[in-house]
Amino acid sequence: DSGVTQTPKHLITATGQRVTLRCSPRSGDLSVYWYQQSLDQGLQFLIQYYNGEERAKGNILERFSAQQFPDLHSELNLSSLELGDSALYFCASSVEIYNEQFFGPGTRLTVL
Amino acid sequence: GIQVEQSPPDLILQEGANSTLRCNFSDSVNNLQWFHQNPWGQLINLFYIPSGTKQNGRLSATTVATERYSLLYISSSQTTDSGVYFCAVGNTGGFKTIFGAGTRLFVKA
Repeated sequence: DSGVTQTPKHLITATGQRVTLRCSPRSGDLSVYWYQQSLDQGLQFLIQYYNGEERAKGNILERFSAQQFPDLHSELNLSSLELGDSALYFCASSVEIYNEQFFGPGTRLTVL
Repeated sequence: GIQVEQSPPDLILQEGANSTLRCNFSDSVNNLQWFHQNPWGQLINLFYIPSGTKQNGRLSATTVATERYSLLYISSSQTTDSGVYFCAVGNTGGFKTIFGAGTRLFVKA
């Protein structure tokens, strides 16, 4: 158990819908990262937050947005869902920006 | 952006064999991690190793930052070592983390 929690574990929804994925970092960690793992794209970095502020953006679609709250938990919002958004979404956390990252168990999203 | 290449892409071993997995990266990095993704999808930390050598039981890793590569050694492999091994780097001056495509390992009993 890495100490990073993600909810829900599984999510099944329909095209065009909107979902919110939640992540709680390890106690004491200030950085939160979001990743998408799909069969054809591998593990892709989406976005990073540090102490509530966005620090880096990767291959995150405009339909996706995220935020980190004052209590340091983070949410990833996915809207206007498409079949291709079906993937495993991971959250990770680290103490600072360049430190070792620890991954949560992931949320498996299926868009039908 | 920085490119990360892992080799080999696939590896089949007999239980008890040793193996070396390689990660090449195209630019300077400020951090490097090795992960094992087990068949249930969990990403398990193996090493945080931006430079130098570390050992943990049957596993060890070496990163030669000046030559832009890292190696993961697995000795006396076990069936529970099966899964995908990923290398992930953070580029100097940026905050993005780039994963390699992984090495898929299957250890036969």
